Amino acid sequence: QKEVEQNSGPLSVPEGAIASLNCTYSDRVSQSFFWYRQYSGKSPELIMSIYSNGDKEDGRFTAQLNKASQYVSLLIRDSQPSDSATYLCAVNMLKGNGNQFYFGTGTSLTVIP
Amino acid sequence: DGGITQSPKYLFRKEGQNVTLSCEQNLNHDAMYWYRQDPGQGLRLIYYSQIVNDFQKGDIAEGYSVSREKKESFPLTVTSAQKNPTAFYLCASSIRGAGQFFGPGTRLTVL
Repeated sequence: QKEVEQNSGPLSVPEGAIASLNCTYSDRVSQSFFWYRQYSGKSPELIMSIYSNGDKEDGRFTAQLNKASQYVSLLIRDSQPSDSATYLCAVNMLKGNGNQFYFGTGTSLTVIP
Repeated sequence: DGGITQSPKYLFRKEGQNVTLSCEQNLNHDAMYWYRQDPGQGLRLIYYSQIVNDFQKGDIAEGYSVSREKKESFPLTVTSAQKNPTAFYLCASSIRGAGQFFGPGTRLTVL
């Protein structure tokens, strides 16, 4: 089982709709959770961090964490064509050699004008 | 401006050649990381360093080497032992418990 799993998509939503991206992780002791946006040919950009159960909102983005279900999600409200990108979920886990980040393979999102 | 820089942006390697990718950060972050990304795939960890003069192998360290002589710098050498080095290489840094910040990346192509 992979440490972090995401639905690879592609996910298509119309402009103005809510895009929902999901991620599950395997290690119950994971403490920190992150969402990155990666445009084609570019490096990942950190857009959300969440550390405790519940919701965290930042503008049009909401991250949701459920540690009991080992599930983290990202909601994008009022989706715009500029949101079209690959979204990577990452989890920070404490391993024997220190903190390590594990990434999902990403979900490709297309927002249709 | 604070951030992470990587150079060069594009790099071409001949068979049997060693090449070194540069990564510099002025964010005062203790931890630095090197990842490799292949088309349509996720990020795979090559090496990471939590403090100066110490580094650990990641999942795919074979054929790569690193050094961490300064807090700001974490260069990656792709040796001739790496048989399939063509990929997008990403350097990142972080402080404990927080997310990583990535540099712009280096695209390495084997000729």
